[in-house]
Amino acid sequence: DTEVTQTPKHLVMGMTNKKSLKCEQHMGHRAMYWYKQKAKKPPELMFVYSYEKLSINESVPSRFSPECPNSSLLNLHLHALQPEDSALYLCASSQATGRSYEQYFGPGTRLTVT
Amino acid sequence: ILNVEQSPQSLHVQEGDSTNFTCSFPSSNFYALHWYRWETAKSPEALFVMTLNGDEKKKGRISATLNTKEGYSYLYIKGSQPEDSATYLCAFIGDNQGGKLIFGQGTELSVKP
Repeated sequence: DTEVTQTPKHLVMGMTNKKSLKCEQHMGHRAMYWYKQKAKKPPELMFVYSYEKLSINESVPSRFSPECPNSSLLNLHLHALQPEDSALYLCASSQATGRSYEQYFGPGTRLTVT
Repeated sequence: ILNVEQSPQSLHVQEGDSTNFTCSFPSSNFYALHWYRWETAKSPEALFVMTLNGDEKKKGRISATLNTKEGYSYLYIKGSQPEDSATYLCAFIGDNQGGKLIFGQGTELSVKP
C-alpha cells in the first residue's frame, strides 16, 4: 500500500471554528509533512515530523497546530483561521528525512475559510 | 532565501513531440533534487530523486539529468502522449536543511492528441 490518505477532501469553516485535518499512511514511513499550496504557487512546507517528533516548524502561525499521535497518523488542528489561509493542504510521508527519500503525497484537503 | 526556478512556466505540444524543461537551483550546499509529476485532481507523484553530479535517470519515456556544479537539471519527455499532461515540479534540498524540499513553480505541460 503506497497510499497517503487525507480527510476531509473539502472543508469550509468560519473564522471562529475549530476543525482538524487528518493524514494517514501505512507504509512504515517515519517522516511526515504538512504543506500549504495556494493557486498557481508551489507547495510550501509548514511542518516536518521525524520519528513522531516535530523537527521543522517553518514559522507557521499558532492558529495551525500539528500533532503526530503515532507513526501512521498526522493531524493539523485549525483554530481562528483567516480567509487568507484558504488553500490546498497537502500531507506527505517518506521513509525518513534523508535526501534520497522521495515523498509520497496525499490528494490534499481543499480548505475555504469564510 | 533559496530560489528554485523552472522554465518554461507552461508548454503546449502535439502528441509525439519530444520536449524538455529546466530546473535551476543554488549550486552551493546542494544535497538532492527531486522531480514530481502532478496531474490535476491527483496527488503529486515522485519521478526521480537525484543526488550526484552527472546523474542521469530514466523511467520509460521520461529522463532527467543533473548538473550540481552549475545548478540545473533537465527533464526530457520523448514522444509526448496526452497522459503526460501534468505539472512537473522540481524540488531542491540544501545541505543541513533536514530534508526540507523547496519547490519550483512548476512547468505545466499540455499534450494535444
